[in-house]
Amino acid sequence: EAEVAQSPRYKITEKSQAVAFWCDPISGHATLYWYRQILGQGPELLVQFQDESVVDDSQLPKDRFSAERLKGVDSTLKIQPAELGDSAMYLCASTRDRQASGNTIYFGEGSWLTVV
Amino acid sequence: SQQGEEDPQALSIQEGENATMNCSYKTSINNLQWYRQNSGRGLVHLILIRSNEREKHSGRLRVTLDTSKKSSSLLITASRAADTASYFCATPDTGGFKTIFGAGTRLFVKA
Repeated sequence: EAEVAQSPRYKITEKSQAVAFWCDPISGHATLYWYRQILGQGPELLVQFQDESVVDDSQLPKDRFSAERLKGVDSTLKIQPAELGDSAMYLCASTRDRQASGNTIYFGEGSWLTVV
Repeated sequence: SQQGEEDPQALSIQEGENATMNCSYKTSINNLQWYRQNSGRGLVHLILIRSNEREKHSGRLRVTLDTSKKSSSLLITASRAADTASYFCATPDTGGFKTIFGAGTRLFVKA
């Protein structure tokens, strides 16, 4: 069964350092999402891509976070510099269609970030 | 934006009992989804119910939607220890292009 692949699974970094997460969505899925989930809370959407274009990054802290999906396939989320408050799980997800509403969202297993 | 609120925040039951979780939302929606998350893992889609549906079943899961009360419930019948997880409702935002997740209900099923 096709899966959303994410790496690394776990990352510990010192504050002010740079960190990057990689995601490979299910083949053929047009829409890719990056969510942040703080322990005990629900996932919060950071950025949404349709193919290679950003369609929503309203909740992305753009002073330190960046995301790209250059060829409309895999994606990278970068944080520089990392802050203590960035400690969370970063979830990548994808949907087949270009509109999120009403479509099943397929999630990866997440990347745990601890900033020390 | 639109966000569902789950209730209760946490639920502890014995194996074999039924578990009911509720989700309330603020504005009209055309669909609502439920997802499950095992500890430290990604979310898994359980079921989608559309605004013209009142009830939907999938195995031991039963979901209801009451658009007049802007609420949905997820019932897990004959719960098992393996049902221990967090359960999230997800609704479209007001623009319909994003899916917004609530804070979740943490279910613990004791063997």
